[in-house]
Amino acid sequence: AQSVAQPEDQVNVAEGNPLTVKCTYSVSGNPYLFWYVQYPNRGLQFLLKYITGDNLVKGSYGFEAEFNKSQTSFHLKKPSALVSDSALYFCAVSRPYGGSQGNLIFGKGTKLSVKP
Amino acid sequence: SQTIHQWPATLVQPVGSPLSLECTVEGTSNPNLYWYRQAAGRGLQLLFYSVGIGQISSEVPQNLSASRPQDRQFILSSKKLLLSDSGFYLCAWSVRGNRGTGELFFGEGSRLTVL
Repeated sequence: AQSVAQPEDQVNVAEGNPLTVKCTYSVSGNPYLFWYVQYPNRGLQFLLKYITGDNLVKGSYGFEAEFNKSQTSFHLKKPSALVSDSALYFCAVSRPYGGSQGNLIFGKGTKLSVKP
Repeated sequence: SQTIHQWPATLVQPVGSPLSLECTVEGTSNPNLYWYRQAAGRGLQLLFYSVGIGQISSEVPQNLSASRPQDRQFILSSKKLLLSDSGFYLCAWSVRGNRGTGELFFGEGSRLTVL
């Protein structure tokens, strides 16, 4: 069965330090992988995606993610965290087409808290 | 560019009252449309998705229903709300079929409180 795991409910980081939000997946075939961010009482905003090619993907707001096929991971990273990065982060994988028309499978979300 | 609108943004309703949340997409045609519910600011639960006018698939049995009267309009309804229907409802769209990579684009959400 297809699944996405975000092993940490919360990640705490000091401002200026690097941050990592972890994501692992289990999916057949070649996955399409995504990261979304959600600020309080707002919809999810697309950050970045991996489809194919370079394993390091750069996205919005200085975030990047590294696709690691052998470890089936897609961790979100940022070299220097900002207080404004504090939000809920979701990892997602796309189901193969022909099944549910491309629905995404979401992880449970990781709350990122960046302290000044 | 494509945009997605949801309304109302917030709603407080008594138990047993009806519900109608609306979602419209602009700037694209033939999208897939989705309704998600997010409880307690956490995980997302897919409620309904639609691949075309009048075509609705339900992911979980529940007190809610969805309709797609027009290509870019998706409506979430209930005849009688329950306390457990409270939550944050998100509408989303994606490019249909193999023209897209599966990513979803979300509206700003509708906060429903049932009292």
